Amino acid sequence: GIQVEQSPPDLILQEGANSTLRCNFSDSVNNLQWFHQNPWGQLINLFYIPSGTKQNGRLSATTVATERYSLLYISSSQTTDSGVYFCAVVGNDMRFGAGTRLTVKP
Amino acid sequence: DTGVSQDPRHKITKRGQNVTFRCDPISEHNRLYWYRQTLGQGPEFLTYFQNEAQLEKSRLLSDRFSAERPKGSFSTLEIQRTEQGDSAMYLCASSLEFDRGYTFGSGTRLTVV
Repeated sequence: GIQVEQSPPDLILQEGANSTLRCNFSDSVNNLQWFHQNPWGQLINLFYIPSGTKQNGRLSATTVATERYSLLYISSSQTTDSGVYFCAVVGNDMRFGAGTRLTVKP
Repeated sequence: DTGVSQDPRHKITKRGQNVTFRCDPISEHNRLYWYRQTLGQGPEFLTYFQNEAQLEKSRLLSDRFSAERPKGSFSTLEIQRTEQGDSAMYLCASSLEFDRGYTFGSGTRLTVV
């Protein structure tokens, strides 16, 4: 099956800093989504982005499908951005990476 | 439509007991998925349905696990003779088509004691 690798596994930032999270995948995909998992376990959909670039407020994402990677940018980070960010790709089904645990300190 | 609903939110059971979880997908979504997530890991695929047909099952889904979606609407996931290793968050998701965005429910957290 498709392999999904996320980096870095852990990231600690000071409030206000910017960050880039990366997702590499091993094969062509039909869909790619970025999720934020909150402390209660709910997976919040951030972006549905099989290709191209999208922006939503302080967050933006870029997927380069031909090179099999996607990037999630977080600008001016806030403590509420803390949590685990997952990249998930859809071939025949959705496969998740192991996630990036982000901690934003005040 | 309030999104994907899962019930119960939490379940504590004794080892050896059977448990059943329910998922109500977004009404117009014809695909429904079950995932399992253990602490510190990403969700792992278990199985999915297109309408009432179960189209794929992961090797993670042992014989003690069974999932149904009898009328192509809600789904149930049953675990028989629970083991401590079954303790996890069980997540349900739905989508309109296979390559469209997935929406996840809040999950059912199972603890086997």
